[in-house]
Amino acid sequence: QVQLQESGSGLVKPSQTLSLTCGVSGDSVSSSGYSWHWIRQPPGKGLEWIGYIYPGGITYYKSSLRSRVSISVDRARDQIFLQLQSVTAADTAVYYCARAHDSSGHFTWGQGTLVTVSS
Amino acid sequence: DIQLTQSPSSLAASVGDRVTITCRASQSIGNGLNWHRHKPGKAPELLIYGASNLQSGVPSRFSASGSGTDFTLTISSLQPEDFATYYCQQSYSTVCSFGQGTRLEIK
Repeated sequence: QVQLQESGSGLVKPSQTLSLTCGVSGDSVSSSGYSWHWIRQPPGKGLEWIGYIYPGGITYYKSSLRSRVSISVDRARDQIFLQLQSVTAADTAVYYCARAHDSSGHFTWGQGTLVTVSS
Repeated sequence: DIQLTQSPSSLAASVGDRVTITCRASQSIGNGLNWHRHKPGKAPELLIYGASNLQSGVPSRFSASGSGTDFTLTISSLQPEDFATYYCQQSYSTVCSFGQGTRLEIK
């Protein structure tokens, strides 16, 4: 059974870059038919989809974040990465990684990690 | 981008009640819709995928239906652990999206 674990800096200064890692165990990020997603939830707000990547490197991003976000994959280490540039307080959120099955839509969530943007 | 609109935004109910939440898509998404339950301080949980498929381990009091633009999630008999926020999510488009959430509270 696949398990996902987010990690990274819990505190980022405004204007800097937020960097998170999603470690995958129980399966390989190279498994065919899956995509790897990042989602966040700001305090008191709903879930917001950020973007996803296929193992081959193709990415899709939420249009409003596209100029600042980058998702990448390290297939050798079974890790997914999120980078968000030029952060502000509005980027404070719990960040989740997730795996989705392309044909069925089946979704597996990580536990999430809180990132606070503050000086 | 495809917009998902849930109704109601909040709902007060009692243990044992039957409740229904709806999700409407701004364009047809076939059966590419999931439902998630999110309890405070925890990771969201997948309840339903592909519009009507019950995730393994999810109690049978949860059911869902719909296709195209209109979808429903029904909880047949609310249990204490069901008081949470529910989100629909579409994966039909290359750009995914969530509904705004339905907060289910104890009456």
